[in-house]
Amino acid sequence: DTAVSQTPKYLVTQMGNDKSIKCEQNLGHDTMYWYKQDSKKFLKIMFSYNNKELIINETVPNRFSPKSPDKAHLNLHINSLELGDSAVYFCASSKRYHGGSGETQYFGPGTRLLVL
Amino acid sequence: GESVGLHLPTLSVQEGDNSIINCAYSNSASDYFIWYKQESGKGPQFIIDIRSNMDKRQGQRVTVLLNKTVKHLSLQIAATQPGDSAVYFCAEVSGGYQKVTFGTGTKLQVIP
Repeated sequence: DTAVSQTPKYLVTQMGNDKSIKCEQNLGHDTMYWYKQDSKKFLKIMFSYNNKELIINETVPNRFSPKSPDKAHLNLHINSLELGDSAVYFCASSKRYHGGSGETQYFGPGTRLLVL
Repeated sequence: GESVGLHLPTLSVQEGDNSIINCAYSNSASDYFIWYKQESGKGPQFIIDIRSNMDKRQGQRVTVLLNKTVKHLSLQIAATQPGDSAVYFCAEVSGGYQKVTFGTGTKLQVIP
């Protein structure tokens, strides 16, 4: 069974469209994250949610809106997609929020977004 | 072999040799450090971690060394295998919100 799953795996869309990426974890973790990885493999945190509450929002444009309907899900909705949004988006989860204090983050397989 | 992980360099190592991957971190207040392995087409995977009050930690075939004086972290892989081929990231954790900041990664290529 996949611990952290994301859908879709690939997403190709036109500029200006609105799209969503879904993430689910079956680990019973309290905390979930979204990361963006650019073409140079640089990974940057976008959002962190603990028990459905937003903890970190790293200067992400408000076109990006995370939604956590429950602890096991953290979806990412993107409005008015731009060329620069093309990247791989990773969802992750950890048991508790204090992400550095021994709480390993488990990553999903990624969603490859290409904006044309 | 060695590499400095600020740009995504490639480190090529013969199978069976030891690998050393280096990382310079930025925040002297970081209190926790993690190494991740990312295979092609997959998400990062935890390898080993170390707290700032330690200077060395060993796992199975991997050792992490921390030098806080020069803000340097290294990952040593013993007897490198083809399955070790991946991009390796160091990450530092700091701040009240325990934010994880990733380094730029080093690609390890194992030559059979």
